[in-house]
Amino acid sequence: EADIYQTPRYLVIGTGKKITLECSQTMGHDKMYWYQQDPGMELHLIHYSYGVNSTEKGDLSSESTVSRIRTEHFPLTLESARPSHTSQYLCASGRQGADTGELFFGEGSRLTVL
Amino acid sequence: QKEVEQDPGPLSVPEGAIVSLNCTYSNSAFQYFMWYRQYSRKGPELLMYTYSSGNKEDGRFTAQVDKSSKYISLFIRDSQPSDSATYLCAMSVISSNYKLTFGKGTLLTVNP
Repeated sequence: EADIYQTPRYLVIGTGKKITLECSQTMGHDKMYWYQQDPGMELHLIHYSYGVNSTEKGDLSSESTVSRIRTEHFPLTLESARPSHTSQYLCASGRQGADTGELFFGEGSRLTVL
Repeated sequence: QKEVEQDPGPLSVPEGAIVSLNCTYSNSAFQYFMWYRQYSRKGPELLMYTYSSGNKEDGRFTAQVDKSSKYISLFIRDSQPSDSATYLCAMSVISSNYKLTFGKGTLLTVNP
C-alpha cells in the first residue's frame, strides 16, 4: 500500500486567497510530482522534483509554485487563487532507478475557487 | 495531434464479459507503457506495465503493445463489478526519468 498523503482532500476558497496543498510520502522516494486532473481530461504534469532543492516546471504551465526542502515533503502553493485554478491536484512519488516507472499517487486535493 | 489518444467511453459491460481498452500514440520514442486504474475519488494505481513491444499477462489482465502500429491494449477477462473504474494508459521515454504522458482515461462499469 502506497504511503503518500495529501491534505486537504477538499478545499473551497474565495478568489485572491493564498493556498498551500500539502503532500508527504514516507517511502523515501527521491522523485515527486504534481499532476492536475480535470474531468474527462488527461493528467497534466505541472511540477516535479528529483530530490531536495530540485524543482522543475512540468509540461502544463501553472501559476503555482513548489518547494522541496525535505525528501518527504513537496507542497504546492498558489499565491492568489482564481476560479481558473479550480481542479483536482494529484501528488505522486517514484523511486529513483526503478525499472517500471511506477508512480505512487495520493488521493488528490480537490480545489474549488469561487 | 495529442501524443496519446484514448477513447474516454464510458464503457458498460455485463459481469463476466471480456473488456478491451485501447490507446494510440504518436511519439515513437515511447518505450515504457503502463495502465493505471483509478477508482472514484482515489488516486491512480499502477495495474500493469510493459517495456517495448509484446504481451504481458497478470491474472485476468493482459497488456499488449504494438509499437509498429503505435497501439496498446488492455484486456480484462471475466470482468467483475470490482473492476469498475477509470483506466488510464500512460507512456514514457527511457530518458524522461518517468515523466509520464497520460491518456484521458476510459470509464468502465461492470454490471452485476
